[in-house]
Amino acid sequence: SQTIHQWPATLVQPVGSPLSLECTVEGTSNPNLYWYRQAAGRGLQLLFYSVGIGQISSEVPQNLSASRPQDRQFILSSKKLLLSDSGFYLCAWNRLGNEQFFGPGTRLTVL
Amino acid sequence: GENVEQHPSTLSVQEGDSAVIKCTYSDSASNYFPWYKQELGKGPQLIIDIRSNVGEKKDQRIAVTLNKTAKHFSLHITETQPEDSAVYFCAASKGSNSGYALNFGKGTSLLVTP
Repeated sequence: SQTIHQWPATLVQPVGSPLSLECTVEGTSNPNLYWYRQAAGRGLQLLFYSVGIGQISSEVPQNLSASRPQDRQFILSSKKLLLSDSGFYLCAWNRLGNEQFFGPGTRLTVL
Repeated sequence: GENVEQHPSTLSVQEGDSAVIKCTYSDSASNYFPWYKQELGKGPQLIIDIRSNVGEKKDQRIAVTLNKTAKHFSLHITETQPEDSAVYFCAASKGSNSGYALNFGKGTSLLVTP
């Protein structure tokens, strides 16, 4: 069966520091991968998606970037965090269809 | 782009009653409509979905209806139980045309009281 992992589970970072969040999927190959952000009490906002290694589509301009160095690995990064980057970051995957499955999420607090 | 509106933002029902959550979407090219349940501090879980070639789908106590003409779809939960308490999100997707990306509503916080 397929599983999706995210780490770290929680992170507290100062403003201006860099960020790297990692997502990996097991049990499938060539998945579509997604990064969403959920602000407190809000819906999920699509940040990036990738349909293959090295292929990244950005939905919202911001100081975040994404990379897909391997087939089942998706990384969300920032060079300098802003207060507004705080939120719950969710990675998701799907393959050969519409059903999308989410990871456990990373809670990021920028102070 | 696609705009998904969800109502109500909060819903409180008594155990055993039914709960209905409604969503509208703006892009007629959307063809896939999932519903997710999110418990506190966890990632959303897919509970039911419907495709544009179907008007209704049911899975035990949960059902979803779709009206393509009016561009709205609804989640129906019957015989609610306290463990149904969570935040529910609707979403819409244009399928492969947009990398299967989902556009979400803002969520409905459902509280089922014993």
